Amino acid sequence: DQQVKQNSPSLSVQEGRISILNCDYTNSMFDYFLWYKKYPAEGPTFLISISSIKDKNEDGRFTVFLNKSAKHLSLHIVPSQPGDSAVYFCAANTDKLIFGTGTRLQVFP
Amino acid sequence: DVKVTQSSRYLVKRTGEKVFLECVQDMDHENMFWYRQDPGLGLRLIYFSYDVKMKEKGDIPEGYSVSREKKERFSLILESASTNQTSMYLCASWGGWDTEAFFGQGTRLTVV
Repeated sequence: DQQVKQNSPSLSVQEGRISILNCDYTNSMFDYFLWYKKYPAEGPTFLISISSIKDKNEDGRFTVFLNKSAKHLSLHIVPSQPGDSAVYFCAANTDKLIFGTGTRLQVFP
Repeated sequence: DVKVTQSSRYLVKRTGEKVFLECVQDMDHENMFWYRQDPGLGLRLIYFSYDVKMKEKGDIPEGYSVSREKKERFSLILESASTNQTSMYLCASWGGWDTEAFFGQGTRLTVV
């Protein structure tokens, strides 16, 4: 039973445009969410997080939005750069970290 | 600079071998995790540990065991390696609620 879902396995975006990565969760008790970025042959690195008391958190080009009623969060990257090409995982923080299946983002020139 | 270090980047083992994957963290974190990453399946939790000598099964514990004798070290053991355990293994260390987890660089294990 997948509690954290990323329904788009891949996304392709032109450099300079916006990338929007989506994530859905099933448990309304989840109250803290994180996004990680992963390059091939490396461990995931933390990108940005959001607490359920907020609906938006920004860090430079990265913004995470949380819609609690829809149990949905999204990561916006503006503007997208070729170096953003990676796999992105969303995660929910309970007594452990539960990850989604990931979305592979490709940013092309 | 915080660090989670996995003992090997790449390993090749034979079917039936006992395999040890080691992970060390320097952040004094209570919580440590072992995940495996496979295409299309994301990061799946194998085992985790809340404290020394404590361990909890994750979503896919079959074929694996773990050891946490010291706070900074969390070992994953493949009792008898099989080809379906070929994967990328990732160790993480976590300080707890509402904080980020830190990952090691990963171990690419191939079982032949």
